[in-house]
Amino acid sequence: NAGVTQTPKFQVLKTGQSMTLQCAQDMNHEYMSWYRQDPGMGLRLIHYSVGAGITDQGEVPNGYNVSRSTTEDFPLRLLSAAPSQTSVYFCASSHGLGGETQYFGPGTRLLVL
Amino acid sequence: GQQVMQIPQYQHVQEGEDFTTYCNSSTTLSNIQWYKQRPGGHPVFLIQLVKSGEVKKQKRLTFQFGEAKKNSSLHITATQTTDVGTYFCAGHYWDTGNQFYFGTGTSLTVIP
Repeated sequence: NAGVTQTPKFQVLKTGQSMTLQCAQDMNHEYMSWYRQDPGMGLRLIHYSVGAGITDQGEVPNGYNVSRSTTEDFPLRLLSAAPSQTSVYFCASSHGLGGETQYFGPGTRLLVL
Repeated sequence: GQQVMQIPQYQHVQEGEDFTTYCNSSTTLSNIQWYKQRPGGHPVFLIQLVKSGEVKKQKRLTFQFGEAKKNSSLHITATQTTDVGTYFCAGHYWDTGNQFYFGTGTSLTVIP
């Protein structure tokens, strides 16, 4: 199993550009989520999904969209990038919906100029 | 909203010294998880605590969950250079579905 994979590893964007961060898992996990990690602030939840076709907002959803058309994939879209979205983005998945172990992907480092 | 506080933010220890990081929530948790993140890496699950007063050990690591399920600690005995990284707690509450609230992390530096 590859576990949780994320692409790209690094990305530089200009303000106003849009892009999609890809996340996929091959563990048949129901729950998937996106976090951003900023220095001194830990990991903050952006959006999450409890299954295909179901998504919901986390702590910091503004400026991001998600969709979940399959169990495996959970892309994160930046609609119009801003310097405040410079961060490291982690995708995670877990089996079940009751606070189970989360498996994290390797992360995407995003710089918005 | 829910919030999990974690202290200290940084800790430098000599190799062989002990290390402890603490997490605290203002409201009762359903469970708490601990993760380790190596520099440049991603968070890796260490353990989950569910029961009030629970204590779990993994070799030199000891994890505790408070009696009131509002606080938790991770203690490392006789640190080694391989322990370097940032340790996060992640709290789960009964009324938040599968959403976890991460502490800000404690960055551990071990001086050889």
